[in-house]
Amino acid sequence: DTEVTQTPKHLVMGMTNKKSLKCEQHMGHRAMYWYKQKAKKPPELMFVYSYEKLSINESVPSRFSPECPNSSLLNLHLHALQPEDSALYLCASSQGASGVTDTQYFGPGTRLTVL
Amino acid sequence: GQSLEQPSEVTAVEGAIVQINCTYQTSGFYGLSWYQQHDGGAPTFLSYNALDGLEETGRFSSFLSRSDSYGYLLLQELQMKDSASYFCASSNDYKLSFGAGTTVTVRA
Repeated sequence: DTEVTQTPKHLVMGMTNKKSLKCEQHMGHRAMYWYKQKAKKPPELMFVYSYEKLSINESVPSRFSPECPNSSLLNLHLHALQPEDSALYLCASSQGASGVTDTQYFGPGTRLTVL
Repeated sequence: GQSLEQPSEVTAVEGAIVQINCTYQTSGFYGLSWYQQHDGGAPTFLSYNALDGLEETGRFSSFLSRSDSYGYLLLQELQMKDSASYFCASSNDYKLSFGAGTTVTVRA
């Protein structure tokens, strides 16, 4: 099973709302990632969790708050977002054993619209 | 920092061969990956080169020359389903840095 699942598939929220994106993998991977992707652009790394600990934060605004409750789950909590935060949010995972050479497997993404 | 350059668009007919080049300037380079992404879909891993040379996986092959900071993805026997965006990405300490992507359009 090489599947990463993400919920919801689509999310529309107002700038005052609080919402969460969820990501799950059951491949035993120990590294998990959040990416943001705008239309016709490449994915941009936001956060990396390694062995359930935040290892990389790419200077992401605090209105995005990641959480890794266990080795299979990754959440992204959203609060007070701006319309320019509208994008496809992708979760990915990799084995985490060697880091740099691990293949990353992407979930289908959550398409977020901020009104 | 990381910088990867690839052509923005390529158009070819079914059955043709397409080569997507990728040149990179990165610090701490470990290897070059290629991902395919269909419209509305997620990036899907195609191949990874850590060492110089050619890696072949079915109709797709990938090449790396570390001395030239250059790699390419070769798509053979093009099919309509190969119409997608293709990204090269460099690996560095858990981080994947992506090129801007190449849109491949396959015509009948």
